[in-house]
Amino acid sequence: ETGVTQSPTHLIKTRGQQVTLRCSSQSGHNTVSWYQQALGQGPQFIFQYYREEENGRGNFPPRFSGLQFPNYSSELNVNALELDDSALYLCAGQRGTYNEQFFGPGTRLTVL
Amino acid sequence: RKEVEQDPGPFNVPEGATVAFNCTYSNSASQSFFWYRQDCRKEPKLLMSVYSSGNEDGRFTAQLNRASQYISLLIRDSKLSDSATYLCVVNLRSGAGSYQLTFGKGTKLSVIP
Repeated sequence: ETGVTQSPTHLIKTRGQQVTLRCSSQSGHNTVSWYQQALGQGPQFIFQYYREEENGRGNFPPRFSGLQFPNYSSELNVNALELDDSALYLCAGQRGTYNEQFFGPGTRLTVL
Repeated sequence: RKEVEQDPGPFNVPEGATVAFNCTYSNSASQSFFWYRQDCRKEPKLLMSVYSSGNEDGRFTAQLNRASQYISLLIRDSKLSDSATYLCVVNLRSGAGSYQLTFGKGTKLSVIP
């Protein structure tokens, strides 16, 4: 059990719409990261939040944004959806000696 | 050059076989290393961290060669339940308290009865 949950599990949107994905992390995961995994690829780092502030960002445009709340929950917002945004979105909490990251079950987003 | 490269696979092996996965990484500042496994349409799950001296967990052995920027995973006595995609992962410090995981594309393993 990773202690990381995500909602919703599946989502279908149309091009141009906006979407909010949610992640809840148990106490102790004060760092949360978001990843995008396209079919047949490894997960790609979107950004990370530490103590409610963005603390690292991958190669994603500004229409990908996020928030982290005092209760360690987090949101990923994507504006102006494009077809290529269709992917599995993963949230991960960080802990451990080697800063291991533990993933939630993901949200599968389909953009039509 | 990709940041983390793995054998493209897929690997199809009989039960009981030994299988080895290889991985190279490009950033010498990488600080920690992992193998994750991912079942079809599920999230990646941490299989094992890879320590500098190498480490073993049951049938699984991981090795790290920092000089060559090379990581390996050996699975002995393969089981049907080992069928999954194996992801090589490198952790790079990218800010205060921030560690960014970089994943390889993964190698799919199918263990055949």
